[in-house]
Amino acid sequence: QVQLVQSGAEVKKPGASVKVSCKAAGYTFTTDHMHWVRQAPGQGLEWMGIIKTRDGSTSYALQFQGRVTMTRDTSTSTVYMELSSLRCEDTAVYYCARAVFFAGDPWGQGTLVTVPS
Amino acid sequence: QSALTQPPSASGSPGQSVTISCTGTSSDVGGYNYVSWYQQHPGKAPKLMIYEVSKRPSGVPDRFSGCKSGNTASLTVSGLQAEDDADYYCCSYAGSYNWVFGGGTKLTVL
Repeated sequence: QVQLVQSGAEVKKPGASVKVSCKAAGYTFTTDHMHWVRQAPGQGLEWMGIIKTRDGSTSYALQFQGRVTMTRDTSTSTVYMELSSLRCEDTAVYYCARAVFFAGDPWGQGTLVTVPS
Repeated sequence: QSALTQPPSASGSPGQSVTISCTGTSSDVGGYNYVSWYQQHPGKAPKLMIYEVSKRPSGVPDRFSGCKSGNTASLTVSGLQAEDDADYYCCSYAGSYNWVFGGGTKLTVL
């Protein structure tokens, strides 16, 4: 079945960068784009951007432009999300989600990124 | 892009129906038939419940239904069950390969 498996939790210092991976299985990787969404503790979902797995082109939410980079490796069916200049407010669970029907399904298990103050 | 507006909370007794609204603008909800709804239990990843306004993925009970009128989309859960107690988020395509989520609604089954 379709499955997205994300990398493990990270703790980063303010100002550093973090790179989260999302490995896809159970379908043809380049068939569908991939969303990245984050959720701060106790807060709602926030769309970060999308990567087209076929050609690697991206679209980022305005609030993340300049700080986020999404890439993919078709040889390993993996997408990556790198967020730079981390601040305390970036503490969140980061999810990848397969883009189907202009929605996301399924979602990865999430990766907790902690940026201590 | 501003977040879509959802009520913070909703509730109902088992067997009852509850409707959750999701209000956007003509640039997102009103402009496209690409509204989706997600269910999230504590500590779990979101699960797709409705896509393209009113379509259900395989495996989602038909107790869940969606519709849209103008700039407002709605999710209705009929025949409430204890396992429906969760957070629900709407999401809309907003053009130019951008998406926007609602703030989320905590549904309590009394």
